[in-house]
Amino acid sequence: ETGVTQTPRHLVMGMTNKKSLKCEQHLGHNAMYWYKQSAKKPLELMFVYSLEERVENNSVPSRFSPECPNSSHLFLHLHTLQPEDSALYLCASSQGDSGANVLTFGAGSRLTVL
Amino acid sequence: GENVEQHPSTLSVQEGDSAVIKCTYSDSASNYFPWYKQELGKGPQLIIDIRSNVGEKKDQRIAVTLNKTAKHFSLHITETQPEDSAVYFCAAGRRALTFGSGTRLQVQP
Repeated sequence: ETGVTQTPRHLVMGMTNKKSLKCEQHLGHNAMYWYKQSAKKPLELMFVYSLEERVENNSVPSRFSPECPNSSHLFLHLHTLQPEDSALYLCASSQGDSGANVLTFGAGSRLTVL
Repeated sequence: GENVEQHPSTLSVQEGDSAVIKCTYSDSASNYFPWYKQELGKGPQLIIDIRSNVGEKKDQRIAVTLNKTAKHFSLHITETQPEDSAVYFCAAGRRALTFGSGTRLQVQP
């Protein structure tokens, strides 16, 4: 393990369901991120939290709702998703929220929306 | 904002050969250029990075070169091994990183 743990690893949900993705980092980092990885597309930054405050939201639809209760935990709450939201959702952490810092990624949560 | 182009999208080499992956970026303010390797079922892992005050960096079989004037940087893997087979991503940025679309490298034994 890389020090960043994501659960669940796989999730299948209907468009009317509500589910959450969880991320936990054991590295003592102070910044956490959600990225979306779709086939044959670049990694897309969704949200950045630094010291538990959201510092960036890359025009993500409101059906994705992040929560960062402390510097070690990050959640992504999902509701009324669309099939095109099916993707691998990656959590990452870093020491500092600057792009000049090394990102440590989790293994991802593979989401399928039916 | 930053735009990163990565080529090729797939690359197949024989074991022992060298592999080169190239990226270009658009924002001259970018000053950090990492490379990540993603194996099947895992998240991306940093393999090497370079900052704008350096033109080249090497770590065993892996090297990265940066040309700030031309706004491009490259990953070089020498003496490739089957375990080098993976998807490689470049990224560029000053604050938030923008990633390339990835290169699937296949090393044939």
